[in-house]
Amino acid sequence: GAVVSQHPSWVICKSGTSVKIECRSLDFQATTMFWYRQFPKQSLMLMATSNEGSKATYEQGVEKDKFLINHASLTLSTLTVTSAHPEDSSFYICSARAYSGRSSYEQYFGPGTRLTVT
Amino acid sequence: AQRVTQPEKLLSVFKGAPVELKCNYSYSGSPELFWYVQYSRQRLQLLLRHISRESIKGFTADLNKGETSFHLKKPFAQEEDSAMYYCALANGAGSYQLTFGKGTKLSVIP
Repeated sequence: GAVVSQHPSWVICKSGTSVKIECRSLDFQATTMFWYRQFPKQSLMLMATSNEGSKATYEQGVEKDKFLINHASLTLSTLTVTSAHPEDSSFYICSARAYSGRSSYEQYFGPGTRLTVT
Repeated sequence: AQRVTQPEKLLSVFKGAPVELKCNYSYSGSPELFWYVQYSRQRLQLLLRHISRESIKGFTADLNKGETSFHLKKPFAQEEDSAMYYCALANGAGSYQLTFGKGTKLSVIP
């Protein structure tokens, strides 16, 4: 089956530093990847849609200069949280879109990355 | 704008009892709806989608366009069904973004 990995699984950083999170599709090529943010006991909120070789599309209210997304290959997308602040602490989840047959696409989710900014 | 509503944050049922997790949606186009499940400390995974009309782990969901609903049902709950359940609506245009409901935590009491 389609597997998506994320690295690191958790990270602690100091306020003002930047942290990069990687999302990889391990056994399939993903032209589109998505980045979500999940607050404790809340649902997933889409942050941005990342297409290979082009600029990411950000959802309203998401600062693109703060959350830099790069989708340089068909199997890798990265999210860099720049100048992190404690309010950026959250669970970040990526997903990759793949064709699942019968004219349908499916999103396969990574395990998530817990970011804590101190 | 598309929206997914799951009115129940928490649903507790006894083992063997029927389960119904409610989901209502708002979408101007032709919807494609999904149910995702997240077991404790595991990643989100697809449970079922309306276009395939399949039954997974005994769960079924029927799209009711008149009531704009996609409720998830299971006739007899099992303890291993305890998890977070998210209803999601796909944007069928282009990128196929998903809009998630807030989720319902299902707790099956032994």
